[in-house]
Amino acid sequence: DTGVSQDPRHKITKRGQNVTFRCDPISEHNRLYWYRQTLGQGPEFLTYFQNEAQLEKSRLLSDRFSAERPKGSFSTLEIQRTEQGDSAMYLCASSYGQGAYYGYTFGSGTRLTVV
Amino acid sequence: QKEVEQDPGPLSVPEGAIVSLNCTYSNSAFQYFMWYRQYSRKGPELLMYTYSSGNKEDGRFTAQVDKSSKYISLFIRDSQPSDSATYLCGFGNEKLTFGTGTRLTIIP
Repeated sequence: DTGVSQDPRHKITKRGQNVTFRCDPISEHNRLYWYRQTLGQGPEFLTYFQNEAQLEKSRLLSDRFSAERPKGSFSTLEIQRTEQGDSAMYLCASSYGQGAYYGYTFGSGTRLTVV
Repeated sequence: QKEVEQDPGPLSVPEGAIVSLNCTYSNSAFQYFMWYRQYSRKGPELLMYTYSSGNKEDGRFTAQVDKSSKYISLFIRDSQPSDSATYLCGFGNEKLTFGTGTRLTIIP
């Protein structure tokens, strides 16, 4: 168990390009969460999965954002046609059960810069 | 009104001092209350969580919840330079709603 792993750590992309991030949760955790954090703010909820099922999506998750968790293991978050406002830290977290009850374990995040 | 209010600081205190960090919330549906610590360019790390009013202690850290006032606090005793970080309060059930974070610096 090496914790929650996110790849890449940093991504710089030009406006309009598509980007994809990967998250590998702790192996026995069935819940996986995506959050976005901008400078000086706390993390904001984007979406979460229980196993392979996506159970909730935030209104922050526009049509340009899509997340998957095939086979209930790793997850990907894709942003299409990136905009400068998408620049942020994208955090993945996992939990053994209900997130707030068991507590999340966060990864170190993927820092996205859109130029 | 924001669901969660947290003083962003920054807060600087001398080593060994007692630190008090606070958050207020407005959503009565929140069942769990937690504190995370976040070092620069790292993901948040869970420090403490609770679901009931009262105090919970873990080493130098004490979390206090007052549901009637919708107010939570984190106290750090004998503060150390390694405690210098941003502290986030979090609330929720399945998903969490976080405060903006308080940046804390412990001066040796």
